[in-house]
Amino acid sequence: QGQLLQSGGEVKKPGASVKVSCEASGYSFSDYGIDWVRQAPGQGLEWMGWISIYNGNTKYAQKFQGRVTMTADTSTSTAYMELTSLTSDDTAVYYCARAYGSGSYYTLWGPGTLVTVSS
Amino acid sequence: DILITQSPSTLSASVGDRVNITCRASQNIDAWVAWYQQKPGRAPNLLIYQASNLPDGVPSRFGGSASGTEATLTISSLHPDDFATYFCQQYNSYPLTFGGGTKVEIK
Repeated sequence: QGQLLQSGGEVKKPGASVKVSCEASGYSFSDYGIDWVRQAPGQGLEWMGWISIYNGNTKYAQKFQGRVTMTADTSTSTAYMELTSLTSDDTAVYYCARAYGSGSYYTLWGPGTLVTVSS
Repeated sequence: DILITQSPSTLSASVGDRVNITCRASQNIDAWVAWYQQKPGRAPNLLIYQASNLPDGVPSRFGGSASGTEATLTISSLHPDDFATYFCQQYNSYPLTFGGGTKVEIK
């Protein structure tokens, strides 16, 4: 059970930052982590990182280290992913997803948030 | 990082056909493989986990196997609803990585 609801699409200029939200409902938010996975137009899936809702621990893909920050607010059951220094290569649909366990497969996905980076 | 090569990238088939999709990993991934189905404009949907296990609600025409560095998704008899893109994912180690996808098209 459960549902993940994401914020709406964003259009950003190169060099800007974007913060995408993911609101969880229908399950105990703190019992699971939240991963972020992105998909460029017509491309495959790319894992960005994970946050433990229980203790706030994070693990980021090397590619995004220094540019991504994942946080969570347990009072609103919402996870956030902020990506800075955007370039056109960051144009993608960003998904939040709940894994069965840490570092596992995904049993619940958000609908995705399209972030377009364009001058 | 574990690199996954998924093949074929596109597959043309007819309703009723048996299809196989393969993922080859750059390192041993044992059975730590999941498969997802994705339709245009939608999030991926879990089809198989731990190489061969089907979540509740996934039709039994979907099957999977894995050994060492290779995993296979089999659809025993294609249904009209199965025309979609399929991705494998390894969760043997971080960073989690995905195959490039296989688009199953109507022949």
